Amino acid sequence: EADIYQTPRYLVIGTGKKITLECSQTMGHDKMYWYQQDPGMELHLIHYSYGVNSTEKGDLSSESTVSRIRTEHFPLTLESARPSHTSQYLCASSRGGLGTQYFGPGTRLLVL
Amino acid sequence: DQQVKQNSPSLSVQEGRISILNCDYTNSMFDYFLWYKKYPAEGPTFLISISSIKDKNEDGRFTVFLNKSAKHLSLHIVPSQPGDSAVYFCAASLSGSARQLTFGSGTQLTVLP
Repeated sequence: EADIYQTPRYLVIGTGKKITLECSQTMGHDKMYWYQQDPGMELHLIHYSYGVNSTEKGDLSSESTVSRIRTEHFPLTLESARPSHTSQYLCASSRGGLGTQYFGPGTRLLVL
Repeated sequence: DQQVKQNSPSLSVQEGRISILNCDYTNSMFDYFLWYKKYPAEGPTFLISISSIKDKNEDGRFTVFLNKSAKHLSLHIVPSQPGDSAVYFCAASLSGSARQLTFGSGTQLTVLP
């Protein structure tokens, strides 16, 4: 199993604040992903990365941005948080090939 | 348009019996399918997967069956245990897409002692 970490686990923040959700993996996986999930709903891909300096937007439109400067690190940033950003954010990573994705524990974000 | 569907939002099973979770998909180009288990406020945990070149894959108590002609897959858990109670998601991917996963909406499994 992959070791993949997300911080913070829970975040309550006011509208307009800038936030960065951290994601790191220690398995040397080349691909990394960010998903968003609301309660009772499916996971939706918002960003992914093939490798260093490669980032793409996913199927679900998001106001967040990502960067991939190091293989192991894939942070997600919201410049100005809004209540509509309240959700669970899940980071995942995989190797090449079929690439089973392994998920971190998630960050539950509440924007007041 | 949801390409991966789990039509049963919930399922209750007695401990020791078989749990069968179902998943349908519409995109015939999907070639890799996975099942994940998720507890509230945690990330999904990978359970088992199957490539489209197979019709069955088994790992301990978990077996996944794939019926490509029906575009249907199922997860069998035998015997079911109370610790199996969680939300189960099926997911599918296709080659050449960075292996992005398309998820179903999940089935809440409750195993009754």
